[in-house]
Amino acid sequence: QSALTQPRSVSGSPGQSVAISCTGTSSDVGYYNYVSWYQQHPGKAPKLMLYDVSQRPSGVPDRFSGSKSGSSASLTISGLQAEDEADYYCCSYLGSRTYVFGTGTKVTVL
Amino acid sequence: QGQLVQSGSELKEPGASVKVSCKASGYTFENHAMNWVRQAPGQGLEWVGWINTETGDPTYAQGFTGRFVFSLDTSVSTAYLHISSLRAEDTAFYYCARPHPGGKCSGGTCYLDLWGQGTLVTVAS
Repeated sequence: QSALTQPRSVSGSPGQSVAISCTGTSSDVGYYNYVSWYQQHPGKAPKLMLYDVSQRPSGVPDRFSGSKSGSSASLTISGLQAEDEADYYCCSYLGSRTYVFGTGTKVTVL
Repeated sequence: QGQLVQSGSELKEPGASVKVSCKASGYTFENHAMNWVRQAPGQGLEWVGWINTETGDPTYAQGFTGRFVFSLDTSVSTAYLHISSLRAEDTAFYYCARPHPGGKCSGGTCYLDLWGQGTLVTVAS
């Protein structure tokens, strides 16, 4: 199973919005609404930011939102802030109790 | 709530084995599956698999079968990742992670909201 495809990097100025895509297939992202997103700062463990495509865990700011269309999911950060600079990974259920991460996207705040 | 504390960094020669531990506290260990995630230096996350902490039943991702083995010691709330026949490409941080309450790794909702600090395994001669 190959990793889900994400852009290598995206960037934006403070206050702007950025979107990160996560492209899979009809067997994973396109089949299940079990997509999650993780944020990882350098040297730190990942942090769960979204689950079930668009649900936010307690404590995650509402400027983080998620959506899905067909075999692609997206994470949008609205009102970009300096602390949002990090790597972001999507993750999808594959069925048969297995999962796959995306290739990862580096978000840079200009 | 809860905390996952992993064992320290390891330096191993190619062909050797390593066992990484992940000790849970602050919650009932058997109530949540334990996942393992690999991250090579400067690279992305790879899901290694998960183990049912109630039954000991493991699930491994493609590419992680055979040399990677999960185990448990529920008496001390600890999960283990054993890697045998180590190769240079196994050099990575290995994280243990627990799904959020209500998450079912068997059913698609294995959303990892509690992570260990990571253990660096370096394979070099």
